[in-house]
Amino acid sequence: DTAVSQTPKYLVTQMGNDKSIKCEQNLGHDTMYWYKQDSKKFLKIMFSYNNKELIINETVPNRFSPKSPDKAHLNLHINSLELGDSAVYFCASSLGERLYTDTQYFGPGTRLTVL
Amino acid sequence: EDQVTQSPEALRLQEGESSSLNCSYTVSGLRGLFWYRQDPGKGPEFLFTLYSAGEEKEKERLKATLTKKESFLHITAPKPEDSATYLCAVQAGAGGGNKLTFGTGTQLKVEL
Repeated sequence: DTAVSQTPKYLVTQMGNDKSIKCEQNLGHDTMYWYKQDSKKFLKIMFSYNNKELIINETVPNRFSPKSPDKAHLNLHINSLELGDSAVYFCASSLGERLYTDTQYFGPGTRLTVL
Repeated sequence: EDQVTQSPEALRLQEGESSSLNCSYTVSGLRGLFWYRQDPGKGPEFLFTLYSAGEEKEKERLKATLTKKESFLHITAPKPEDSATYLCAVQAGAGGGNKLTFGTGTQLKVEL
């Protein structure tokens, strides 16, 4: 059973398009995250949701909009895609933001290529 | 701003040749330091969490240690299957959720 899953695994699209990436976790965790990994393999957090509530929103263009329909799902919608959005996007989850420190478990990633 | 620096960027070892990876950090109020392993095309896989200076954790050929300024990941008698990128991350601060600040990783290759 996959703990944190993402779809699609690969996404190739044209500049200006709108696309979504979906994430689901079956660990019963309360908190979910989106990270971006650039071409130099640097992982940087974008958003975090706890029980469907946004708790972390780093400096990310407002073309990126996370949506959490329930605590097991966190989707990422990107409007007006730009070349610089090309990266690997990782979803992660952890037991709960209420804990002082909390191990995060990552999905397999979605490689987005904007042409 | 929290900073994490990993060295070396890349490391090539012969099978059985032990070595250490370094992760130095500057944070305001460390809550936890995490080590992850990332294989090509996959997401980071959790290895260890260290919470306070002096703490050590082991798993098979890996041992992680923590001081007030840095953490080491010691690899004893590595095998080719240990080849991966090893990422260090910190959680810090009293607020701001549970975001992890990552280093850029050490790419380890173990050869026969």
